[in-house]
Amino acid sequence: AQRVTQPEKLLSVFKGAPVELKCNYSYSGSPELFWYVQYSRQRLQLLLRHISRESIKGFTADLNKGETSFHLKKPFAQEEDSAMYYCALRPGSARQLTFGSGTQLTVLP
Amino acid sequence: NAGVMQNPRHLVRRRGQEARLRCSPMKGHSHVYWYRQLPEEGLKFMVYLQKENIIDESGMPKERFSAEFPKEGPSILRIQQVVRGDSAAYFCASSPLGLAGGSYNEQFFGPGTRLTVL
Repeated sequence: AQRVTQPEKLLSVFKGAPVELKCNYSYSGSPELFWYVQYSRQRLQLLLRHISRESIKGFTADLNKGETSFHLKKPFAQEEDSAMYYCALRPGSARQLTFGSGTQLTVLP
Repeated sequence: NAGVMQNPRHLVRRRGQEARLRCSPMKGHSHVYWYRQLPEEGLKFMVYLQKENIIDESGMPKERFSAEFPKEGPSILRIQQVVRGDSAAYFCASSPLGLAGGSYNEQFFGPGTRLTVL
């Protein structure tokens, strides 16, 4: 069975500092990887997916199949980036998502 | 488009009672997914439904839990004879399509229902 691990429950950085939220996965096939974000008092929303290779709100994530990782990075954190971030995996042809336990990011002024 | 709607937002039940959680998908979406989030954990898939059909219920507990998505009206997640361990946040998501050639259609999430069992 697939598994998604986010080793950091809490992460604090200062405004303007680089930030990296770690995500590792285990799955024997070819997964699709996603990052979801939940801002305070808002619902969970898709931030980015590895297939699209986009940069959203300055965030990027590269799928590293050798290390089975999909870390989320931003070179200069902003206070409005403070939120809960979830890494998620969609295995093969399945519909459902498998989520990590989340990382609460706090960007300090 | 109001987005995925869930009600109630908060539900308190005593042990042994029934809990009914409702989910109205986004307009035009015919696929619904239910996830459960226990404290300190990520969301865990429970069931995937299309109108009048359960497509995948591999994440549903074998007893006391059931789900439906009728032709008319919202999707319902029903928990019979609730126990304290059922206390969690239950999220519903909807998407416009199921899989087509292996592609992914974004799931849009509702605000969740927080169930507390006393």
